Amino acid sequence: AQTVTQSQPEMSVQEAETVTLSCTYDTSESDYYLFWYKQPPSRQMILVIRQEAYKQQNATENRFSVNFQKAAKSFSLKISDSQLGDAAMYFCAYRSAKNTGNQFYFGTGTSLTVIP
Amino acid sequence: NAGVTQTPKFRILKIGQSMTLQCTQDMNHNYMYWYRQDPGMGLKLIYYSVGAGITDKGEVPNGYNVSRSTTEDFPLRLELAAPSQTSVYFCASRTGSSYNSPLHFGNGTRLTVT
Repeated sequence: AQTVTQSQPEMSVQEAETVTLSCTYDTSESDYYLFWYKQPPSRQMILVIRQEAYKQQNATENRFSVNFQKAAKSFSLKISDSQLGDAAMYFCAYRSAKNTGNQFYFGTGTSLTVIP
Repeated sequence: NAGVTQTPKFRILKIGQSMTLQCTQDMNHNYMYWYRQDPGMGLKLIYYSVGAGITDKGEVPNGYNVSRSTTEDFPLRLELAAPSQTSVYFCASRTGSSYNSPLHFGNGTRLTVT
């Protein structure tokens, strides 16, 4: 099984500031997919952003962007201009690109607090 | 388009009882998954299915069973419930038509076994 590590159980950020959530993963594969999911108090899991390992360009979605460092096996999420609605648990996930790579492996999550 | 629908939202079971968590999706997704979420542990895969009639074990399958008789439905069966099965359960699905397709999740079922 692949290992996905989120080393920051909790983070906080001032409203309108920028915060970066860390994620590292362990794999011997060269092709895979990475995802960030947000889980607000409502419990719904919401896709934030995704990245294909073969793409060198970092993915962006509005205020959310990633810093994908393939050699370091690092996939951090940057949230710019933080808003109160960004407060949630954030999970990093990995999936192999192999035909048999059907499983998604999740990290243990980072709880983000946004301070008004 | 309802997406992924899970029922019930909450359930309390006594030790040794059995129950089925229902999951249905209306997106014609081939792949379906069951995860459990425990505090501080992230999501762990219980079972998954790549299509009707095909199921496979994930990381933590013991104490659970699944079936996939149709594309839409993927029920999770708990036999002889134990306190260790107290958790939040998520059903998810994804299409097989794109390689980087993400998971679409239901709203979860909070199960307590006492």
